[in-house]
Amino acid sequence: AQSVTQLGSHVSVSEGALVLLRCNYSSSVPPYLFWYVQYPNQGLQLLLKYTSAATLVKGINGFEAEFKKSETSFHLTKPSAHMSDAAEYFCAVSDNDYKLSFGAGTTVTVRA
Amino acid sequence: DAGITQSPRHKVTETGTPVTLRCHQTENHRYMYWYRQDPGHGLRLIHYSYGVKDTDKGEVSDGYSVSRSKTEDFLLTLESATSSQTSVYFCAIRVGGADVETQYFGPGTRLLVL
Repeated sequence: AQSVTQLGSHVSVSEGALVLLRCNYSSSVPPYLFWYVQYPNQGLQLLLKYTSAATLVKGINGFEAEFKKSETSFHLTKPSAHMSDAAEYFCAVSDNDYKLSFGAGTTVTVRA
Repeated sequence: DAGITQSPRHKVTETGTPVTLRCHQTENHRYMYWYRQDPGHGLRLIHYSYGVKDTDKGEVSDGYSVSRSKTEDFLLTLESATSSQTSVYFCAIRVGGADVETQYFGPGTRLLVL
């Protein structure tokens, strides 16, 4: 069974600084990997997904993530944080058994 | 917008009462899911459906049942609500083929069990 670990439940960054959210997964087969974002009182919105086509995946709002099989990681980055990036971010993994396993989430706050 | 609606959006109920949450989709997707979201746990799968009258349990299915009598609707029932079922419930649909399967989520239902 697959599982996901997100390191750091809260991350605080200054506006304009790098955003780095860490995600490690365990899976017995090559996985599908996803990052979702949740703004306050809203549902989850897909940021990006890895489906084996390319190890560096670009998503919406300037985010990207790199799949590193040797490290079993799929960290999310954005070069320059904006106030609108304040939200909760979830990493998720699927073994293509049509079910997702989610990490516990990382809340990002952006300081002016 | 993946064409998913959930009703009600907010519900307050008392311990021991039955509660049914509805998920409706407009695009005839085969797979539908129910998750609950709790602080520190992310989202956890309750039940999912892979077709009309075809359902299976997820990670946290105890105390929940589901039904799917038509493609567009997936119902989640708490037979006798408990305070531990206070949570935010999300419905999702699976879109795409085997290489691009992606789940899209509804707006959520906030349930408070007193």
